[in-house]
Amino acid sequence: DAKTTQPPSMDCAEGRAANLPCNHSTISGNEYVYWYRQIHSQGPQYIIHGLKNNETNEMASLIITEDRKSSTLILPHATLRDTAVYYCIVANTGNQFYFGTGTSLTVIP
Amino acid sequence: NAGVTQTPKFQVLKTGQSMTLQCAQDMNHEYMSWYRQDPGMGLRLIHYSVGAGITDQGEVPNGYNVSRSTTEDFPLRLLSAAPSQTSVYFCASSGGRPFGYTFGSGTRLTVV
Repeated sequence: DAKTTQPPSMDCAEGRAANLPCNHSTISGNEYVYWYRQIHSQGPQYIIHGLKNNETNEMASLIITEDRKSSTLILPHATLRDTAVYYCIVANTGNQFYFGTGTSLTVIP
Repeated sequence: NAGVTQTPKFQVLKTGQSMTLQCAQDMNHEYMSWYRQDPGMGLRLIHYSVGAGITDQGEVPNGYNVSRSTTEDFPLRLLSAAPSQTSVYFCASSGGRPFGYTFGSGTRLTVV
C-alpha cells in the first residue's frame, strides 16, 4: 500500500491560495489520490480525487506531477472555515483507505 | 438521503462490557469500513467489507468483530471493552473506485 508524507502543519493568510503538498513516491499506476479534510472531530469530508490528470471542482484543484510521485491540493481563496486537518490518501486497488497524520492548516485573518 | 448513520453518538462503557456500534448507509454502497481515531492522530482502519458476507481485517482489528449480513448495515462489536479502546469511531461507505468514501459523524466511546 502506497504511503503518503505530508507536512504536519501550515499557515495561510485569509484570501490567499493554500497549497498543500503530498508525497506518494511508491504509488502504483492504477492507484488514485484522494484528499479529505476533517474539521474538529467531525467525520472526514471528501474534497477531490485524481489519477493522472489535474482536477478541479468547486472546492479545490488537485495538481499531480507527471511521474505521479507527488501532488498538491490548492484551495484558491482560503477562508477561516478552511481551517482543518487535510489528509492525502492513496487508495489501494482493493479500495481501502489508509490515513496518515495529515496537515493541520490554519487560516489566519 | 441520510448517507451514513452511526449510533449511538456517545457511549460510556465499563471495562469488560461488550457493545455494538451501529452503522447504516442508504446509498447501496458495496464497500464499508470502520476506523478509530485517537486524540491528535489520524484515522486507523479496524475492519472493512467489500460486500455482504465479506469482511476483512484492517490495521488494528484486535478486540473488535464485524459482520455484514446486508448491504446496508455494518455493525462493529467490542467483545470486552478496555480503556485502550477509548476513541472516536467512524464508519464509512463507498460505491467503489474511483468514488471516495462517505463518512458518518462518529461515535465517541469512553471506557472507564
